[in-house]
Amino acid sequence: DADVTQTPRNRITKTGKRIMLECSQTKGHDRMYWYRQDPGLGLRLIYYSFDVKDINKGEISDGYSVSRQAQAKFSLSLESAIPNQTALYFCATSDLAGGPSDTQYFGPGTRLTVL
Amino acid sequence: AQSVTQPDIHITVSEGASLELRCNYSYGATPYLFWYVQSPGQGLQLLLKYFSGDTLVQGIKGFEAEFKRSQSSFNLRKPSVHWSDAAEYFCAAVNYGGSQGNLIFGKGTKLSVKP
Repeated sequence: DADVTQTPRNRITKTGKRIMLECSQTKGHDRMYWYRQDPGLGLRLIYYSFDVKDINKGEISDGYSVSRQAQAKFSLSLESAIPNQTALYFCATSDLAGGPSDTQYFGPGTRLTVL
Repeated sequence: AQSVTQPDIHITVSEGASLELRCNYSYGATPYLFWYVQSPGQGLQLLLKYFSGDTLVQGIKGFEAEFKRSQSSFNLRKPSVHWSDAAEYFCAAVNYGGSQGNLIFGKGTKLSVKP
């Protein structure tokens, strides 16, 4: 079984709809992240969480919100989706104990299309 | 602001040929540096990382990278490319700015392999 799972893997929705992307991990890591990937732009950080009570904005948080329901679960919401939020979204985890040099482990991604 | 630059958007090499993918970073002190690979339809997988010690780092799948402080570079190399190496490659550095401990990614280099 995969250590970091994301659901759904693909989603097509319409402008104005509320969308939730979910991430679960079995690695026991404290830190979780949400990134979006756009062609030619690499990955950009949306939100990150160091533990259940610690959530922080990343580089491009406008239009997004997150919820850390448990150590293993981190959800990303688009309250009112717009077409320029069409992208590939990745969840990642890392072990806080490892410090800045620790590896981030990525989920398989969710491809979101907003029409 | 801290940044990671991958100058080559797309590289094509013949199978069996050597490969070098370039990465430059901007940061005053020694950064923590990573190379990730993204195969088509997959998440990101760590190839190797550098944070101290020997400047030549060995990774998985026969890849290596060399940290050169004088050139602010962390180039990825492989002596003989296989068709299965066709993928997109991302260089990343730990962000010592606003999002402490998170990764800043380059925009990626897509590798195509000719038979």
